[in-house]
Amino acid sequence: AQSVSQHNHHVILSEAASLELGCNYSYGGTVNLFWYVQYPGQHLQLLLKYFSGDPLVKGIKGFEAEFIKSKFSFNLRKPSVQWSDTAEYFCAVNAGGNTGKLIFGQGTTLQVKP
Amino acid sequence: DGGITQSPKYLFRKEGQNVTLSCEQNLNHDAMYWYRQDPGQGLRLIYYSQIVNDFQKGDIAEGYSVSREKKESFPLTVTSAQKNPTAFYLCASSPGGPVTGELFFGEGSRLTVL
Repeated sequence: AQSVSQHNHHVILSEAASLELGCNYSYGGTVNLFWYVQYPGQHLQLLLKYFSGDPLVKGIKGFEAEFIKSKFSFNLRKPSVQWSDTAEYFCAVNAGGNTGKLIFGQGTTLQVKP
Repeated sequence: DGGITQSPKYLFRKEGQNVTLSCEQNLNHDAMYWYRQDPGQGLRLIYYSQIVNDFQKGDIAEGYSVSREKKESFPLTVTSAQKNPTAFYLCASSPGGPVTGELFFGEGSRLTVL
């Protein structure tokens, strides 16, 4: 069965520190990959997505992610975090044909200290 | 404003009672989804519907039921057969046609079984 694994469950950083959140998926075929973010008290929203082409994708608020097919990974990065990046981050995979079904990872809670 | 409205935001239920969570969207999206969010487990798909009058089971459909009589509405019933119903429930929608994988989420409904 397809699955998504996020390695870090809870990350604490100081402002201006660099961020990398790991995401690995298990599926051998073509995948579409996503990162969603849930800020405190807000609904989940799309941060960035990868469908094809350049494996380095850029999203909102200075986030980027790199798709490494050989490693089945789609890690999220940000060079310098801000207090406002405090949120829960979810990696997701769509490998289910045309259904739009997404399989989500367990989520990573990021706490940025001012 | 366009979006997804879930109600109620908080709901308490006694064991053995069925409860229905409402999800309405005015985005004119064809597909709608119900996810369950538990701490440390990410989001798990309960049911989804790609068109009116049609829906499919997700990964954890047991103890739940849905209907899709109108394009804008996709209510979820948590039945007494659901063994562990206390959770945060998220409704989402996405446009039809080529799958983009971008889901638009509501703010969620938190169900507590007493």
